[in-house]
Amino acid sequence: VQLLESGGGLVQPGGSVRLSCSASGFTFSNFAMGWVRQAPGKGLEWVSDISATGGRTNYADSVKGRVIVSRDNSQSTLHLQMNSLRVEDTAVYYCAKAGFWFSVDVWGQGTTVIVSS
Amino acid sequence: EIVLTQSPGTLSLSPGQRATLSCKASQSVNSNYLAWYHQKPGQAPKLLIYAASSRATGIPDRFSGSGSGTDFTLTITRLQPEDVAVYYCQHYGTSVGYSFGQGTKLEI
Repeated sequence: VQLLESGGGLVQPGGSVRLSCSASGFTFSNFAMGWVRQAPGKGLEWVSDISATGGRTNYADSVKGRVIVSRDNSQSTLHLQMNSLRVEDTAVYYCAKAGFWFSVDVWGQGTTVIVSS
Repeated sequence: EIVLTQSPGTLSLSPGQRATLSCKASQSVNSNYLAWYHQKPGQAPKLLIYAASSRATGIPDRFSGSGSGTDFTLTITRLQPEDVAVYYCQHYGTSVGYSFGQGTKLEI
């Protein structure tokens, strides 16, 4: 079971970035997925999650209206489109698989987004 | 919004001792949706406990979770040097998504 994130990098304030997470080793379409971030030296912050079918999404207040989570079950891929980026969005973004009782039983290695001019 | 408050902020213990970490929710929560993780330096978090008291696959029985309502506890017995990590509790709400506590740093 593996999650592999990509798409991070250096972005200017106000810019956009699209993160992707490629899943393998499990039936992707059976599980809810999400994104969790961690700013430098800080704790974990949930960003967004999406149901197995993609029919339900949730967003943290800190990103609501600026972020869209989506999934392509045919490609076992999760995406996070982030717009109007702010300096405070700088973080490692982890792809996360929902396990029993919506715990996160699989984490990716993370991809880093740096928002700076 | 449910706020999870963990204590203490830092816990310093010796090998072989027992660690008790607390997680208090701002309102009563369904214990089925309460989980614990640890994050070792430079690594992604790892699931330890789900549904408040069920150990995740491969987690040794030195780790145990308990609690209900607003008060939850992670207990680690026979501390080992490799248990050094930051420990987080987490809750999931169907209409509000996930929330994490601020973490407890365990030093050994």
